[in-house]
Amino acid sequence: EAGVAQSPRYKIIEKRQSVAFWCNPISGHATLYWYQQILGQGPKLLIQFQNNGVVDDSQLPKDRFSAERLKGVDSTLKIQPAKLEDSAVYLCASSISWVFTEAFFGQGTRLTVV
Amino acid sequence: AQSVTQLGSHVSVSEGALVLLRCNYSSSVPPYLFWYVQYPNQGLQLLLKYTSAATLVKGINGFEAEFKKSETSFHLTKPSAHMSDAAEYFCAVRFFSGGYNKLIFGAGTRLAVHP
Repeated sequence: EAGVAQSPRYKIIEKRQSVAFWCNPISGHATLYWYQQILGQGPKLLIQFQNNGVVDDSQLPKDRFSAERLKGVDSTLKIQPAKLEDSAVYLCASSISWVFTEAFFGQGTRLTVV
Repeated sequence: AQSVTQLGSHVSVSEGALVLLRCNYSSSVPPYLFWYVQYPNQGLQLLLKYTSAATLVKGINGFEAEFKKSETSFHLTKPSAHMSDAAEYFCAVRFFSGGYNKLIFGAGTRLAVHP
């Protein structure tokens, strides 16, 4: 079974530029998550999708971050414009459903904003 | 509010020694609990999970964790540390809130294993 795929693995941009990350979850997984992991901290949930609908985006900085999950499959997370404090690893995860199942994680995208 | 606290951001043990990583949670309803491991430049890998069945849960790589409701704890242990266990470990809790399940993580504990 293929795992959660993310791209790119690494990205370096200047502040005020825009960037986009892509995630393809495990086939058949209805729930998709984007987490932000700042160095030395645990992952923080940015947004959670159930199929193609958003169920939680309470911690997403909506003035600069946006995410979509077209057709309930793959997803993109965008930052525009980026700030220095956005430097982090962005992790995508998926689970079969939003019920009591574990989440499977991709390898993440390491973003450095300079 | 639900939360996860991992005591000790860094733990260092000798190879062959007992590993004990602490996790306490705060939840108003019975939670589902998880331990994940993260190796450098990798995503998170599930070690084990508690889903209200047996309170002692066995996971991969010889790790196990015990759910203690009275102490609201879910500590991770391994009888004998191996060099390959050096990694960051995250405790996570899944709880039902606002009509859906949320999965939140502790701050993590970095485990160092020395010869």
